[in-house]
Amino acid sequence: AQTVTQSQPEMSVQEAETVTLSCTYDTSESDYYLFWYKQPPSRQMILVIRQEAYKQQNATENRFSVNFQKAAKSFSLKISDSQLGDAAMYFCAFKTGANSKLTFGKGITLSVRP
Amino acid sequence: DTGVSQNPRHKITKRGQNVTFRCDPISEHNRLYWYRQTLGQGPEFLTYFQNEAQLEKSRLLSDRFSAERPKGSFSTLEIQRTEQGDSAMYLCASSSGTAGEQYFGPGTRLTVT
Repeated sequence: AQTVTQSQPEMSVQEAETVTLSCTYDTSESDYYLFWYKQPPSRQMILVIRQEAYKQQNATENRFSVNFQKAAKSFSLKISDSQLGDAAMYFCAFKTGANSKLTFGKGITLSVRP
Repeated sequence: DTGVSQNPRHKITKRGQNVTFRCDPISEHNRLYWYRQTLGQGPEFLTYFQNEAQLEKSRLLSDRFSAERPKGSFSTLEIQRTEQGDSAMYLCASSSGTAGEQYFGPGTRLTVT
């Protein structure tokens, strides 16, 4: 069974600074997908970024980038130039194939200090 | 593309009553998923449809839960004889394509009193 671990329940960052959110996972599969989702308070889950395990290059979406370490089974999210609107719960998620279900971590609450 | 929609957004019911939720996926998405999320936790998978076929069900989905996706369009999730432990946010997501990125709806928050 696959597991996703987010060991930091909360983090805080100063506006305009950079923050890194950690995630580790466990699987015996060699081909899989990793995601970060953002869930603002009382609002719906939004896909932030995606990484395919077969790609060596780390994914980047504007201010969001990942550090994917396949051997270490680590998948961290870096948010640059943090904005007040980045405050939310962030979930790391894993799935093995295009058709399969997502397995989520417990999430991390990010607060942004003005 | 109007996104995934879910109705109702909130439902309060008394223990023992039946409830039904609806999910309308992004048009032309052939895959549809239901998840349950309790406060402070990540979503947990319940069940998955490809077109009208229900292909996988979690052990979390007890006999009191049933889901359908007639004609491969919208889906319904019914909970019979609700219990207080059923109180949660029920999320629907849809996807298509090779990577199968899942796009979520706003959820239905169920409170069982």
